[in-house]
Amino acid sequence: GAVVSQHPSWVICKSGTSVKIECRSLDFQATTMFWYRQFPKQSLMLMATSNEGSKATYEQGVEKDKFLINHASLTLSTLTVTSAHPEDSSFYICSARDAAGVSYEQYFGPGTRLTVT
Amino acid sequence: LAKTTQPISMDSYEGQEVNITCSHNNIATNDYITWYQQFPSQGPRFIIQGYKTKVTNEVASLFIPADRKSSTLSLPRVSLSDTAVYYCLVGSNRDDKIIFGKGTRLHILP
Repeated sequence: GAVVSQHPSWVICKSGTSVKIECRSLDFQATTMFWYRQFPKQSLMLMATSNEGSKATYEQGVEKDKFLINHASLTLSTLTVTSAHPEDSSFYICSARDAAGVSYEQYFGPGTRLTVT
Repeated sequence: LAKTTQPISMDSYEGQEVNITCSHNNIATNDYITWYQQFPSQGPRFIIQGYKTKVTNEVASLFIPADRKSSTLSLPRVSLSDTAVYYCLVGSNRDDKIIFGKGTRLHILP
């Protein structure tokens, strides 16, 4: 089946530094990838939609200059949290749609736990 | 995008059948119904997807009435490992984004 990987699975960084999270579709091409953030005991909150070769579309309230998204190829999207602060500590999850898919299904990565100290 | 409504939480016992119902009154003609399972600190995992009537796979069944305004995920003979959050999503591959509802927190008791 379709597999999406994320790297790293967890990261701890100091306040003020930047962190990059990678999302890869391993066995399919993804024209669209999504980035979610999830706080404890809450649902997934869509942050942005990443389209290959074009600028990401951010949800209302998500700072595009703080959460930089790059989707340079059909198998890779990256999320960079710039100047991270403790309130950015969260579980970040990406998902991808199969470019050749006909049904409504997205494949999720395992998530990245970010802790900002 | 169709909004969905699910119970916030449910409890059941090992070996029981669990049915979780999702309401989606504004479902569109092209929309599919998809259910995901999520364990703590993991990404959501696809369980089942359907368009109408009944779909069954090795882990669950999905019942969709003729009007498609609701759906029921059925988990046969649950075990403790089925304790998780279950999300019902409605949409089509024409949607430019996918929004999660609050999900149903299922707690299986011994």
